[in-house]
Amino acid sequence: TQLLEQSPQFLSIQEGENLTVYCNSSSVFSSLQWYRQEPGEGPVLLVTVVTGGEVKKLKRLTFQFGDARKDSSLHITAAQPGDTGLYLCAGGGGFQKLVFGTGTRLLVSP
Amino acid sequence: GAVVSQHPSWVICKSGTSVKIECRSLDFQATTMFWYRQFPKQSLMLMATSNEGSKATYEQGVEKDKFLINHASLTLSTLTVTSAHPEDSSFYICSAPGPPRLARDLETQYFGPGTRLLVL
Repeated sequence: TQLLEQSPQFLSIQEGENLTVYCNSSSVFSSLQWYRQEPGEGPVLLVTVVTGGEVKKLKRLTFQFGDARKDSSLHITAAQPGDTGLYLCAGGGGFQKLVFGTGTRLLVSP
Repeated sequence: GAVVSQHPSWVICKSGTSVKIECRSLDFQATTMFWYRQFPKQSLMLMATSNEGSKATYEQGVEKDKFLINHASLTLSTLTVTSAHPEDSSFYICSAPGPPRLARDLETQYFGPGTRLLVL
């Protein structure tokens, strides 16, 4: 069974702080996605990484896929209250079933 | 990007009744769709893979007779919760692989907005 462990499970920070969320597995994934989900809504795709060692930047968000394609990280610079939400990593994708991580709940206070 | 819709967005029903949830791909065809369930403050758990023209594939521990899936067309999959009970109350979300307009799209799934079910 493929499992994706995220850490931390919960993070409460002040606006302007930096943070990193980790997503780790013992399994190799062909690709990995990061989603953000707000209460009562479906997950919204942030990024897909497919190449080991890949780094992608989206404004203040930096995503990294491990060289061995077993882990990933999400780094947010200068967090804002609008970044508040549930962050989910997921392995697999396309026509393969997605395995979701355990989730990281982020709260950014003004 | 590709759009997936769900209907209804929320439903309240009495215990023992059946509830049908629809998942539609709006601007593309989806031969495969996925159904997930999410309990409060938890991650998404895959329930089943819906395949157009064939039987759904259920994950271990998911009762196929309770959660009926029908993939009637290339743009519609339905999940019917039969004889619903309060413990079935949850957030149900579907997804579909996006059209391969880009190579990277082959790895992407698009999610519906979810359906919140409350069984009284």
